[in-house]
Amino acid sequence: EPEVTQTPSHQVTQMGQEVILRCVPISNHLYFYWYRQILGQKVEFLVSFYNNEISEKSEIFDDQFSVERPDGSNFTLKIRSTKLEDSAMYFCASSLYSGEETQYFGPGTRLLVL
Amino acid sequence: GQSLEQPSEVTAVEGAIVQINCTYQTSGFYGLSWYQQHDGGAPTFLSYNALDGLEETGRFSSFLSRSDSYGYLLLQELQMKDSASYFCAVTSGSGNTGKLIFGQGTTLQVKP
Repeated sequence: EPEVTQTPSHQVTQMGQEVILRCVPISNHLYFYWYRQILGQKVEFLVSFYNNEISEKSEIFDDQFSVERPDGSNFTLKIRSTKLEDSAMYFCASSLYSGEETQYFGPGTRLLVL
Repeated sequence: GQSLEQPSEVTAVEGAIVQINCTYQTSGFYGLSWYQQHDGGAPTFLSYNALDGLEETGRFSSFLSRSDSYGYLLLQELQMKDSASYFCAVTSGSGNTGKLIFGQGTTLQVKP
């Protein structure tokens, strides 16, 4: 069964450093998303992406965040200057259609900012 | 604002039936989904309701009442492996971009 993959599984970084989280969505999917989950809390929407542009973003997704689909398979989330409060699990998800009832989530990248 | 309310914890025994309720207040409602998450794992899709009524998928069923902004997930014949967190999530947004707004999650503990 096709699945969303994410790398790395864990990332430790120093405050102020840049990190890039990578995702490979399901190959025929057209809509891509990033969510984050701070330990013990709910999953929070960050951004949705379609046709090589952001279709919607949340208040969390400020200027330090950016997304890119550099080629036909990867979807990346960059955090330019990490803060302590960016420590969380970051999930990538994809769906075939917008508002598709099923979004498939990747296993996540656990980011720890020290 | 947008908010979803669900109980924080539910405990039940193997073989029992449990219902997890979710009430929501969001803009641009398109549908209500349920996701399961085991410790440290990815949310896994369980069910989706766009219209009022009951959807059944094996041991799991989900219900939606749009007029009441209410839904529930029903788990039957509980098994130990059903111990997990369950999140309701609303597909929301101004242009149906697929944005999911999640509730805080309900931790289900299944006891022998």
